[in-house]
Order: sequence, then structure tokens, then C-alpha cells
Amino acid sequence: EMKLLESGGGLVQPGGSLRLSCAASGFTFRAYAMAWVRQAPGKGLEWVSSISESSGSSKYYADSLKGRITISRDNSASTLFLQMGGLRADDTAMYFCAKGSSPYPRGSHWDVWGQGILVTVSS
Amino acid sequence: EIVLTQSPGTLSLSPGERASLSCRASETVSSSYVAWYQQKPGQGPRLLIYRTSTRATDIPDRFSGSGSGTDFTLTIGRLEPEDFAVYYCQQYGMSAITFGGGTKVEIK
Repeated sequence: EMKLLESGGGLVQPGGSLRLSCAASGFTFRAYAMAWVRQAPGKGLEWVSSISESSGSSKYYADSLKGRITISRDNSASTLFLQMGGLRADDTAMYFCAKGSSPYPRGSHWDVWGQGILVTVSS
Repeated sequence: EIVLTQSPGTLSLSPGERASLSCRASETVSSSYVAWYQQKPGQGPRLLIYRTSTRATDIPDRFSGSGSGTDFTLTIGRLEPEDFAVYYCQQYGMSAITFGGGTKVEIK
């Protein structure tokens, strides 16, 4: 069974940093694009970032977060990461990781999702 | 970026009724790269439909997708109790992916 398990969330002060992790199992992790999507409390889904397969040479970021986040992957550990900095109150959200249906983000629908991890930015 | 507008915001229906959810894009979606997801409280989204009309693995055939260009529709043939949830459309034809605001299907 394909699974994704997010970790690394929690309470962080405004301006702080956090690194989220997403552990994958049940599929050949290095062969697929991966993504992060977030959902503020009571709101809809917002795409955050995507990364291509294997070397992760292609990375894409939402304009609203560009410059404050970095997506990366460790294929040997089947783990996806999201490094976030300069956190603000409006970054408070549930963060989901998702598996792409193909090696590249463009044209790839997201067919496996994690349960999400909560990030709260507050003093 | 492509803006997706879903309507209605809330759909109040009874089990057994048919549901029709709309998703309108601000510009043509490349290669009909539109997907639909279902989300229930406390859970991650679940893929229902991709490439406008292809059902994902293990999705019942009461779910169907249609459309082209800028107008897309998710239809639920006969609502089952487990279908009451929030539904999101997504376009993934560009590197900047976008989601619609969601339609909540609630029990009348």
C-alpha cells in the first residue's frame, strides 16, 4: 500500500523556521514527482511547491511563498522535505505532501496524499 | 496563473439525488489537465478524477467528469451517505498548479 507520512510541524514564532518531512512507502519514490499543498483552517487547498523525480532538477514554487521556502528530496531515504523560513501568521495551515502520477510536475495529477501536519505560527 | 471558480459553494441534497458540480477556468486548461478531489473532515484529499474524465483507481462509477477548454463538471450519479464532503477541482497543465475554492455537498 502506498503511504505518505508528514512530520516536523508544530508551533513556531513569527519569523522562525521549520523543516517538514514526508516519509514515503509502498512505491518507488525516486521515480515520481512530489508536491506540498497547504490548507489554512477552514479554507481551501493551496499548492505550495513541486519537485521532479530522481535528481529533483525541476522545482516550482507558489509566488506567495517564493524566496521563503525550499523543496528537496532524499531518494535514498524515500523522504520529501520542505524548508520554510520567515514564517508569518498566515502560513498557519495543515501541510500535505502528495505523490505525482508521473516523473514531472507539469501534467502530473496527485494520486496519493498524506494525512497532513499542522504548522502554527504564533507568538 | 489560471484561476478556477467552483460553483455552487454549497449543494444541499438528499441521498439518492444527483449532484452536478461546476469548475470554470479563467483560461483554457492545457490538455484537459483537470482533476477532482474529495476531502472529508480531518483527512487528506482523495483523487477522484484526472484528465477531466478518467476515474482514479477504486473510484465508483457513480462519479464522472466531463468538460473541455474552460468549463468542467463533476457529476455524482446517485449520492451515497459517504459522498457528503467537500470537492475541489485542480488544474495541473502549468507548472503553477491551482485549485478551485471547493464545493461542499451537504445532506439536505
